[in-house]
Amino acid sequence: EVQLVESGGGLEQPGGSLRLSCAASGFTLSRYEMNWVRQAPGKGLEWVSYISVSGGSIYYADSVKGRFTVSRDNAKNSLYLQMNALRAEDTAVYYCARDGTGGFSFDIWGQGTKVTV
Amino acid sequence: QSVLTQPPSASGAPGQRVTIPCSGSSSNIGTNIVNWYQQLPGTAPKLLIYVGFPRPSGVPDRFSGSKSGTSASLAISGLQSEDEAVYYCAAWDDTLKGVLFGGGTKVIVL
Repeated sequence: EVQLVESGGGLEQPGGSLRLSCAASGFTLSRYEMNWVRQAPGKGLEWVSYISVSGGSIYYADSVKGRFTVSRDNAKNSLYLQMNALRAEDTAVYYCARDGTGGFSFDIWGQGTKVTV
Repeated sequence: QSVLTQPPSASGAPGQRVTIPCSGSSSNIGTNIVNWYQQLPGTAPKLLIYVGFPRPSGVPDRFSGSKSGTSASLAISGLQSEDEAVYYCAAWDDTLKGVLFGGGTKVIVL
């Protein structure tokens, strides 16, 4: 079964750090561009970050730029999001999402991991 | 504030057709693929439509998407109770270098 499973969420103090992981199974992560998307309680979806297949191209939302770092380990079929200098407004469910088409069409989503700051 | 604009809600009776508009600009909808996601309560979003391409496997043909200039729309025909969800449009923005989501439209089946 093709799936993504996030982990690493939890409760953290403002100014603290968390590292989220996203494990892929049922497909080869190295063939796909990947993204992180978050959803604050009761709010809509907000794109957070993108990473290319090789990791050579990375983009961030302005709201997290300079504080969050996305990375991937294709050998481990895993995606990561290092979150530093956390703020209350970072409180959200964080989803990793696969770009299935190369056109930022997110065809596979994880179940999400909750981050509370 | 979302740069892609959607109405907060839409409604229809079972069997009716509901259309959800999404307004953007030349740097996003005008240039790039528009995607529609369905989010049922308490679940992760699901890719419903990427406009101009075949529907993802398992998506009923009651759902269709279109784009004209800097606007897009999602149509749900033959509305069913299980279609009650929040629907988001999304597209890459060439200027902002990021993916934009609309604010979401909650569809209510009367």
